[in-house]
Amino acid sequence: DQQVKQNSPSLSVQEGRISILNCDYTNSMFDYFLWYKKYPAEGPTFLISISSIKDKNEDGRFTVFLNKSAKHLSLHIVPSQPGDSAVYFCAATFQGGSEKLVFGKGTKLTVNP
Amino acid sequence: EADIYQTPRYLVIGTGKKITLECSQTMGHDKMYWYQQDPGMELHLIHYSYGVNSTEKGDLSSESTVSRIRTEHFPLTLESARPSHTSQYLCASSATEKLQEKLFFGSGTQLSVL
Repeated sequence: DQQVKQNSPSLSVQEGRISILNCDYTNSMFDYFLWYKKYPAEGPTFLISISSIKDKNEDGRFTVFLNKSAKHLSLHIVPSQPGDSAVYFCAATFQGGSEKLVFGKGTKLTVNP
Repeated sequence: EADIYQTPRYLVIGTGKKITLECSQTMGHDKMYWYQQDPGMELHLIHYSYGVNSTEKGDLSSESTVSRIRTEHFPLTLESARPSHTSQYLCASSATEKLQEKLFFGSGTQLSVL
């Protein structure tokens, strides 16, 4: 029973355009959400996070939006660059503990030059 | 530059062998984790540790074992490897920043059991 769902296994966009990666969750107890980026043969790296008390968090080209009523969050990358090509994992937790972190299956983003 | 190191990066072994996957971090983090990930699938937590002499099982049942004798070292051992153990194993440690924990991952070990 997946608590964090990334329904798009892959996404392809042109360089310079916006990339939108989506994530849905089912557990209303989740209060903190993160996005990790993973290149092949490397470990994931933290990208951006958002607390449930906010509906938007921005860091440079990356913005995460949270819609609690829809149990949905999205990651926007503007403008997309070829170096952004990677697998993006959405993750959620409650009460802050990383041992409670639940990951989605990831979305593979390809940014074409 | 990575502050959490995993060795080996790749390991191909035969069924029945005993293996140890090494993980070390130089950040002084108390909490460490082992995740297992198959292609196109979620990361699943198999073990974690709150500190020295602390080990806990994660949400995914695993035949592997771990130990935490030193803060910086968190090795994972499989006594008798089987083809079903073929997977990527990711080690991580965590630190609290701005009241929230953040995971730092190693580069992973890709294990293939023949």
